[in-house]
Amino acid sequence: GENVEQHPSTLSVQEGDSAVIKCTYSDSASNYFPWYKQELGKRPQLIIDIRSNVGEKKDQRIAVTLNKTAKHFSLHITETQPEDSAVYFCADPDTGRRALTFGSGTRLQVQP
Amino acid sequence: NAGVTQTPKFQVLKTGQSMTLQCAQDMNHEYMSWYRQDPGMGLRLIHYSVGAGITDQGEVPNGYNVSRSTTEDFPLRLLSAAPSQTSVYFCASSRRGTGRQKEQYFGPGTRLTVT
Repeated sequence: GENVEQHPSTLSVQEGDSAVIKCTYSDSASNYFPWYKQELGKRPQLIIDIRSNVGEKKDQRIAVTLNKTAKHFSLHITETQPEDSAVYFCADPDTGRRALTFGSGTRLQVQP
Repeated sequence: NAGVTQTPKFQVLKTGQSMTLQCAQDMNHEYMSWYRQDPGMGLRLIHYSVGAGITDQGEVPNGYNVSRSTTEDFPLRLLSAAPSQTSVYFCASSRRGTGRQKEQYFGPGTRLTVT
């Protein structure tokens, strides 16, 4: 759980389009994959997560998919709305440190 | 519950000054952490604690000290402030466990400027 790479760093979409953010991790022992959303000037908050025994999880317009073989997991936002504009972080629980290691973040801008 | 609280919200220090950022949680969480977030950057782990009396270093511990004398409190001390420590500092807490139990609850942050 020491290395989490997140792409892209910025993403601009038109309202109603879909957005996809991808994270790659290195620790094959990782078993929990959360996504956090941080609105401008606010604290990060958990929006969705997935366990390693599940390939996909949905919650209304957001979903997370996991590919354990390739060691990557993705956040999917459908029918984007202006209020989806924020910075999104993936995280990998650093099993050695019992704390979260966050990706570098993706700034999503939804154009009305 | 108040959740995770941090004080102060804003602070300006001169180079070389020391200060303590306060963090408290009322959720009886075992784990607590400190992160810093530089402008346009991600969250980097400074120090963390898995229980009272137990602390450990994160990715960027230099220049900071922590202590955990109670379950509720986890203060972060800047020993001799430097301009490179200008950042927003977030304290977070979580339960011991696996999966969703590790959800981090963040405080509102402290915006620190070192001149």
